[in-house]
Amino acid sequence: AQKVTQAQTEISVVEKEDVTLDCVYETRDTTYYLFWYKQPPSGELVFLIRRNSFDEQNEISGRYSWNFQKSTSSFNFTITASQVVDSAVYFCALSRTGGYQKVTFGTGTKLQVIP
Amino acid sequence: GAVVSQHPSRVICKSGTSVKIECRSLDFQATTMFWYRQFPKQSLMLMATSNEGSKATYEQGVEKDKFLINHASLTLSTLTVTSAHPEDSSFYICSAVGTSGGLAVHTQYFGPGTRLTVL
Repeated sequence: AQKVTQAQTEISVVEKEDVTLDCVYETRDTTYYLFWYKQPPSGELVFLIRRNSFDEQNEISGRYSWNFQKSTSSFNFTITASQVVDSAVYFCALSRTGGYQKVTFGTGTKLQVIP
Repeated sequence: GAVVSQHPSRVICKSGTSVKIECRSLDFQATTMFWYRQFPKQSLMLMATSNEGSKATYEQGVEKDKFLINHASLTLSTLTVTSAHPEDSSFYICSAVGTSGGLAVHTQYFGPGTRLTVL
């Protein structure tokens, strides 16, 4: 069975601070995909990143960066210089590879950026 | 990224009526669509997986006769909540994967969601 744990339920930071959202996963599969999605108050889920399990390179996209550590089964997400528009619920997710597989979501971390 | 739309965005209905929610992939062929339900401040719960042209596969505990799913084309899937009751009030979200220009789209792209309120 697959499982995704986001231990941080809610985080509040002051604008311009850096913040890291933790994600730990469990799977018996040797290959898998990891995802991060953002859900702003409007409700729509916005895709942020997909990472294949064989690619352990860290990735940076603007103010966003992701740290994938297979040894600790973690896929953490860091927002640098946070902005009020970053306020949202962030979901980490996991799926098998091969065909179109269903996704297992974590419980989400609500991030509030205070101006 | 791929675009998925949902309609309606919000619906209020009386108890006992049926409500249909549409999910459309606008710029790719959605071979597979997923339907989720989300309660306030909770994560997404997968209800069912639908493949174009075949019957949907429902998750354990989801009543297939209550939540009717049709995926008749590569761009449209519908979820019908039959004989809705107040406990069916929730945020329903669809997602889609498939092909675009012959290339596989493995990432699930989500619709904007439908907020259902049953009075």
